[in-house]
Amino acid sequence: QQQVKQSPQSLIVQKGGISIINCAYENTAFDYFPWYQQFPGKGPALLIAIRPDVSEKKEGRFTISFNKSAKQFSLHIMDSQPGDSATYFCAASRAGGGNKLTFGTGTQLKVEL
Amino acid sequence: DGGITQSPKYLFRKEGQNVTLSCEQNLNHDAMYWYRQDPGQGLRLIYYSQIVNDFQKGDIAEGYSVSREKKESFPLTVTSAQKNPTAFYLCASRSRAGTTDTQYFGPGTRLTVL
Repeated sequence: QQQVKQSPQSLIVQKGGISIINCAYENTAFDYFPWYQQFPGKGPALLIAIRPDVSEKKEGRFTISFNKSAKQFSLHIMDSQPGDSATYFCAASRAGGGNKLTFGTGTQLKVEL
Repeated sequence: DGGITQSPKYLFRKEGQNVTLSCEQNLNHDAMYWYRQDPGQGLRLIYYSQIVNDFQKGDIAEGYSVSREKKESFPLTVTSAQKNPTAFYLCASRSRAGTTDTQYFGPGTRLTVL
């Protein structure tokens, strides 16, 4: 049972454009929603994270939008750059039980010049 | 220079052999995790440990074993019972202090079974 569904699987955006990646979750007990960025052959690095008590969080060019009623959250990358080309994973966890992360299947982003 | 180290970066194993992947952290984190990553899939949790001498199975623990004798170290053994061991293995750690939930990942070990 996939508890976090991520789309699209791949995305091509022009330099300067907006990249949007969406995730939906099923478990209403989740209370922490991070996004990770992964370059080929490297470990994932935390990009930005949000808790369900806020609807939006912005850090530089990266914004998370969170819709608790719809059980959806999304990552927006403004002014996308070629250096943003990577795989992005959404994830979710809940307090207790080891704070285990449940990951989406990833989105491969390519930013073209 | 704090962080998580994994060794080796690449590992080759013959079928029927056990192999142990190393994970060390100097972040003074209590919790440590092992994930497996396959092409086109997200990360799947193998085992996790919240304190020394204690660990719990994740979603895909069959064919794997771990130990947590020291706070800094959480080695993963891939046994011959694991049917499809070829994958990218990632170790992570998390501080239990405060309310942080952030897991920090190591650089990974790519295991190939020949």
